[in-house]
Amino acid sequence: GQNIDQPTEMTATEGAIVQINCTYQTSGFNGLFWYQQHAGEAPTFLSYNVLDGLEEKGRFSSFLSRSKGYSYLLLKELQMKDSASYLCAVKDSNYQLIWGAGTKLIIKP
Amino acid sequence: EPEVTQTPSHQVTQMGQEVILRCVPISNHLYFYWYRQILGQKVEFLVSFYNNEISEKSEIFDDQFSVERPDGSNFTLKIRSTKLEDSAMYFCARTTGTLETGELFFGEGSRLTVL
Repeated sequence: GQNIDQPTEMTATEGAIVQINCTYQTSGFNGLFWYQQHAGEAPTFLSYNVLDGLEEKGRFSSFLSRSKGYSYLLLKELQMKDSASYLCAVKDSNYQLIWGAGTKLIIKP
Repeated sequence: EPEVTQTPSHQVTQMGQEVILRCVPISNHLYFYWYRQILGQKVEFLVSFYNNEISEKSEIFDDQFSVERPDGSNFTLKIRSTKLEDSAMYFCARTTGTLETGELFFGEGSRLTVL
């Protein structure tokens, strides 16, 4: 079966750094996405990795290791508005997106 | 500003009633997708639509669901006879190209509540 695992919930402090991990087992791999979703809102695109390594975009970075079936999203200089769920999604061999259940990130002052 | 506009933002309906959810793209895109998300659960793929035809559909997308592009612009998802378990957020999404080449941009969603 296809599976994506993320921690259910994480807590971090404003101004700090947090790393959200994602491991996947899918039938094929054609890229991994990270989305941010605030409560009651639509997911918004954060990053896309298809090759191994780190992609940096402002305060957010995403890392991929295809051999390990592993990715992480790194958020720096955390702000209160970063409180949201972070969804990991993998494109399988049929180019269908397989979604994780999301990690709820709680930022405390 | 959203890439696609969805209406209604929230609909409450009785079990067994028909519901039509609408998606209006801001610009001309060929690929559209419908996803749903039951409260507190994963995003689930329903159907993809290319050039006025269904290109892929999931097991969830059974005979009670249908999609149309009736006037070449609006893009609708119809649920013929709603069930309690259809209560969810329904998201329309588009890509710049296919899912092979692009990321998904979601509309703001339509919340469906079935009583």
